[in-house]
Amino acid sequence: AQSVTQPDIHITVSEGASLELRCNYSYGATPYLFWYVQSPGQGLQLLLKYFSGDTLVQGIKGFEAEFKRSQSSFNLRKPSVHWSDAAEYFCAVGAGDKFYFGSGTKLNVKP
Amino acid sequence: EPEVTQTPSHQVTQMGQEVILRCVPISNHLYFYWYRQILGQKVEFLVSFYNNEISEKSEIFDDQFSVERPDGSNFTLKIRSTKLEDSAMYFCASSRGTSGGNEQFFGPGTRLTVL
Repeated sequence: AQSVTQPDIHITVSEGASLELRCNYSYGATPYLFWYVQSPGQGLQLLLKYFSGDTLVQGIKGFEAEFKRSQSSFNLRKPSVHWSDAAEYFCAVGAGDKFYFGSGTKLNVKP
Repeated sequence: EPEVTQTPSHQVTQMGQEVILRCVPISNHLYFYWYRQILGQKVEFLVSFYNNEISEKSEIFDDQFSVERPDGSNFTLKIRSTKLEDSAMYFCASSRGTSGGNEQFFGPGTRLTVL
């Protein structure tokens, strides 16, 4: 069965520090992988997606993610976090007609 | 930039009442979805809709739920007799194709509170 695991519920980083949010998935076929961000009271905004090809994908707002098939992972990274990055981040697998979402990671940014 | 819109932003209802949540998907999209997010929990798939019929639904989407595309622009989710546990944020999404190869664009959500 398809599933997405985000092992970190909360993460706090200092502004300017690097960030890595973990995502592991379980899916029988080639996965279509997505990262979404949700600011308080807002909907889900797509940060980046992986369908095929280069395993390092670039997204908006300076985010990138790397697909590692051997580890069934799709971790999200940013070299230098800004205070405006404080939000909740969701990893998702696209399968047929639906997305499977992880439980999310809340990012706090310290000044 | 086109976007998915949802109304109302917040709906409060009494248990047992019917509610209709409305969505306007992006105009050239063909696939429509409803998801829900109970407070503090993950976003869960409810239903997908294509070509005027349900293409897939989850076990959450029982007989109390129904979806409809009443005209060329709106996509609605009806809950016939609301329960306390239906309180959640409901997200509508749309895409050009199935999620395997296409991004889903999400609306801002409707927060449903059942009292």
